[in-house]
Amino acid sequence: QKEVEQDPGPLSVPEGAIVSLNCTYSNSAFQYFMWYRQYSRKGPELLMYTYSSGNKEDGRFTAQVDKSSKYISLFIRDSQPSDSATYLCAMSFSGGGADGLTFGKGTHLIIQP
Amino acid sequence: DAMVIQNPRYQVTQFGKPVTLSCSQTLNHNVMYWYQQKSSQAPKLLFHYYDKDFNNEADTPDNFQSRRPNTSFCFLDIRSPGLGDAAMYLCATSRDHSNQPQHFGDGTRLSIL
Repeated sequence: QKEVEQDPGPLSVPEGAIVSLNCTYSNSAFQYFMWYRQYSRKGPELLMYTYSSGNKEDGRFTAQVDKSSKYISLFIRDSQPSDSATYLCAMSFSGGGADGLTFGKGTHLIIQP
Repeated sequence: DAMVIQNPRYQVTQFGKPVTLSCSQTLNHNVMYWYQQKSSQAPKLLFHYYDKDFNNEADTPDNFQSRRPNTSFCFLDIRSPGLGDAAMYLCATSRDHSNQPQHFGDGTRLSIL
């Protein structure tokens, strides 16, 4: 079974706020977890790539995985208007290889100047 | 510099008229994927190539075919497009099957008249 749930939004926050984006999933066999950012009329751009449970930080972005709860999060600190985009969570069984990626529908984020 | 390049960015075809979408990559990656993304929906994997080995998803319609003449290029052929095939088609690559993230092109938006 492949199913990933993600609130489509839109989520509107003021510039400088901390943003929290989330996904839940049902298949405990997922091992690799990703966040992609997609601007309008562009392809998904990889932001974060994590394996198993725990946190990973990269600049203003922090990815969090809780496999026991089947829940992943992306936090954006000091949000900027340029962060306005659709954020897609994605996951795979084998690191994005033979089984491809299973995506959420994406959350549309709006950062108000 | 774009590393996964899709052409054309926008394609309009007539109902039932065959159409081919193109993807090229400068990353020398072994794996190339095709995803279909309909409006406000998650990208859905159609098929992928690992080198010359073709792997079709079970629910991909027979109307969709793919060719990979060499490492750099991959084509998506839609033999008889229907109105329901209007979507963004995304090409992605990864170095190999295990523990490697996927990198996407900017997609081709296909419209059916």
